[in-house]
Amino acid sequence: GAVVSQHPSWVICKSGTSVKIECRSLDFQATTMFWYRQFPKQSLMLMATSNEGSKATYEQGVEKDKFLINHASLTLSTLTVTSAHPEDSSFYICSDHRGWADTQYFGPGTRLTVL
Amino acid sequence: SQQGEEDPQALSIQEGENATMNCSYKTSINNLQWYRQNSGRGLVHLILIRSNEREKHSGRLRVTLDTSKKSSSLLITASRAADTASYFCATDRDSGYALNFGKGTSLLVTP
Repeated sequence: GAVVSQHPSWVICKSGTSVKIECRSLDFQATTMFWYRQFPKQSLMLMATSNEGSKATYEQGVEKDKFLINHASLTLSTLTVTSAHPEDSSFYICSDHRGWADTQYFGPGTRLTVL
Repeated sequence: SQQGEEDPQALSIQEGENATMNCSYKTSINNLQWYRQNSGRGLVHLILIRSNEREKHSGRLRVTLDTSKKSSSLLITASRAADTASYFCATDRDSGYALNFGKGTSLLVTP
């Protein structure tokens, strides 16, 4: 069964509004989680590394004030897209890192459509 | 930054045939992984091969790794319609545990 969940699975919002996406590690206390973005027919691009209890680490070109990440507990990381615009429409996927394995477990993704 | 490049970008075969996808990468790696993504869904881990391994098998999957050429291949034998998906290779990054993904190969298996 799924070990990482995301909520919501899809969301449609108006331009200018903010949207929060949750990523939960269901069976593991993840100190590190990752947020990726995937545009249609493209690959996954790392946006940021979410660190429990500390600030997220953002990739170059990703605006930290626009994509707010909060990792307040070991099982939950949230990504808030603030003042969303149509160009933010994308598929957002999170994953968690488990120290004993090199693999990552990915959530099912959240489809964001900004009108 | 994106590390891997897969080819072909798209592959269409019939059930029962084998499907081969290739991945090239740019920098040294500790391991390389292959993931599958069904349309509009999350990623499913298929197989991981370490830099000191040359070949690995898992069921109908066979992965090879050539670190001298910085390339890997994924072979799916006796394909099924359910194998229809996009396949991505991913390599570890210089620091941290996040992954660099290739552009992916879209595989269509027709009955």
